[in-house]
Amino acid sequence: ETGVTQTPRHLVMGMTNKKSLKCEQHLGHNAMYWYKQSAKKPLELMFVYNFKEQTENNSVPSRFSPECPNSSHLFLHLHTLQPEDSALYLCASSQDLGRGGRDTQYFGPGTRLTVL
Amino acid sequence: AQTVTQSQPEMSVQEAETVTLSCTYDTSENNYYLFWYKQPPSRQMILVIRQEAYKQQNATENRFSVNFQKAAKSFSLKISDSQLGDTAMYFCAFIAITQGGSEKLVFGKGTKLTVNP
Repeated sequence: ETGVTQTPRHLVMGMTNKKSLKCEQHLGHNAMYWYKQSAKKPLELMFVYNFKEQTENNSVPSRFSPECPNSSHLFLHLHTLQPEDSALYLCASSQDLGRGGRDTQYFGPGTRLTVL
Repeated sequence: AQTVTQSQPEMSVQEAETVTLSCTYDTSENNYYLFWYKQPPSRQMILVIRQEAYKQQNATENRFSVNFQKAAKSFSLKISDSQLGDTAMYFCAFIAITQGGSEKLVFGKGTKLTVNP
């Protein structure tokens, strides 16, 4: 256990559904991240939040909508997804941002998303 | 471009033996951090070892050590006395600065390591 939890662990949804992924960290960290892990591709950063403020949107389509109500919780709202969005979505957190890698990123177990 | 290349998609090793996983990277930064992450079949990614680029001494963590060659931009991971629990995907990564001034981990595609009994 890394102190970062994600729910649900598995999700199957149709292209017209709306669903949300949840991430919670119990480490007192200030920065949180969403990554996408597709088969045979490197992990891709999607969003970065620092003290609840979004600092990075890595050209993610608008059908993915992040929300960070506080430093401990991060959501990813999904709507009208495509089959190619099927992947493992990983959440991570670190103590702070902007320290050049001094702070380790701790990952959650991921949500395996399948879009039919 | 800031990239990480892991040239070995899959490797296997016998229990108790030593294995080395390769990684090369490309960055224009002068100081940065390099990481090896492990992702077992349960999927939770965990940090194995980290190296700060300006430190010449290679990092070690118990059975895990790195061979960091800054000029060659090479960062290999050596696992000694391999154990069955070392079976996992191993990802090499470094911190890159984004266009927005933020930071992100740039990952390689990973090496699937299997430790055989």
